[in-house]
Order: sequence, then C-alpha cells, then structure tokens
Amino acid sequence: DAKTTQPTSMDCAEGRAANLPCNHSTISGNEYVYWYRQIHSQGPQYIIHGLKNNETNEMASLIITEDRKSSTLILPHATLRDTAVYYCIVRVGRSSASKIIFGSGTRLSIRP
Amino acid sequence: DSGVTQTPKHLITATGQRVTLRCSPRSGDLSVYWYQQSLDQGLQFLIQYYNGEERAKGNILERFSAQQFPDLHSELNLSSLELGDSALYFCASSPHLAGGPRTTADTQYFGPGTRLTVL
Repeated sequence: DAKTTQPTSMDCAEGRAANLPCNHSTISGNEYVYWYRQIHSQGPQYIIHGLKNNETNEMASLIITEDRKSSTLILPHATLRDTAVYYCIVRVGRSSASKIIFGSGTRLSIRP
Repeated sequence: DSGVTQTPKHLITATGQRVTLRCSPRSGDLSVYWYQQSLDQGLQFLIQYYNGEERAKGNILERFSAQQFPDLHSELNLSSLELGDSALYFCASSPHLAGGPRTTADTQYFGPGTRLTVL
C-alpha cells in the first residue's frame, strides 16, 4: 500500500468547514483513498473512500486531485464531536489480505 | 454503531495469565481482522481470518493466537501475559468476497474494542 503524509495536527472553529489534506504521491491505479477517524479510544470509524472521482456522503466530502497524488477530506460544518484523529489510508481494494496500515493521522481539534 | 460487537469491554488480569477476547462481525461479513493499539504504538494489525481460515498475519506474537468459528465469530487468545500487552484490542469485519476484482472497495468496520490491563 502506498504511503500517506498528513499534518500532525489542525484546528478549526465550530461551524466552519474543516479541510484535512493528505499526500499520497506513490498511489497506484488500483488503490483507493480511505478516511477513518478515531474519537478518543473508540474503535476507528469509517468515513468515506474514493478511487478517482470526488465523493460525498452524509459525513463528509472527499476531493481527489486529477493526478490522484493528493486528496482533501472536508467536514462541511464541524462540531465539537468531530474532534478526533483522522487517518488517510491508501490501499488496494479487494484482495486476499487487505489489512489496514494506520499511520499517525491528523489530530483535529474543533474550538468553540 | 458499526454492527461489530466485542466482549468483554474491559479486562483486568495478572502477568502470566491467559485471556480470550471475543468478536462478532457484522451480519454477512466473512472477514475478521484483529488490531492492537498501545499508548506508544498506534494501531497495529495482528491477524486476519476469512471464512474460518487464516488469511494474513501482521505483528502478532507467538503467545497470541486467534481463530474464526463456523458461525464467523472470532476469538483472540492471549497467553503468558506481560505488562506490555496492556492495550486496546479492536476487531474489524468486512464483506471481503475473495476473488472479487481489485478495483472494488473493501471497507472495514471496527468494533468498540476491549481494553486489556495486565497488572
């Protein structure tokens, strides 16, 4: 799986959009970009994933650059409950052994 | 709620003991993964089972073992426990239809974890 680079920490004001960047310059054609988050000692929570196109669901939007070397997770209206560590992960889709390799992630703090 | 359940929620035991952690995957999911999260280590993949068979191994110690039963629930057995085994242990599940195209996403859903404290 390709490596990802994320800022160690970020903060955002409550009610504003939180934009979390991720670089994955060595991504290959069959690798997906996944985002998970972990709220203090809870199990990691799946947020969104994408291959080439931008994606949106009820939690967030994922913007992937045309060359696929970077992406941005957007939480449109951040709340205090969005305070968490956010992990950007690049991995092959279905395979015989599709473990997730978690990096250090971005610690997002939402300020009131 | 991810649909993945883990028991017990908390476990306190002594060094040298053996414990069993249990995981029930989401309904219909065939793959189960175990992860360990220590304070100083982050989330580490331990082992994966698919439909009862071991499929991948990560940084799992020889003192640890796992299995997946015909009803697809899984157990992680930790023996000869040491202080350093204190950690959060997470289970995840995914549909993982083996042989599917590699261009199809395979999302993992995590349980709430078991907090193991070894005294």
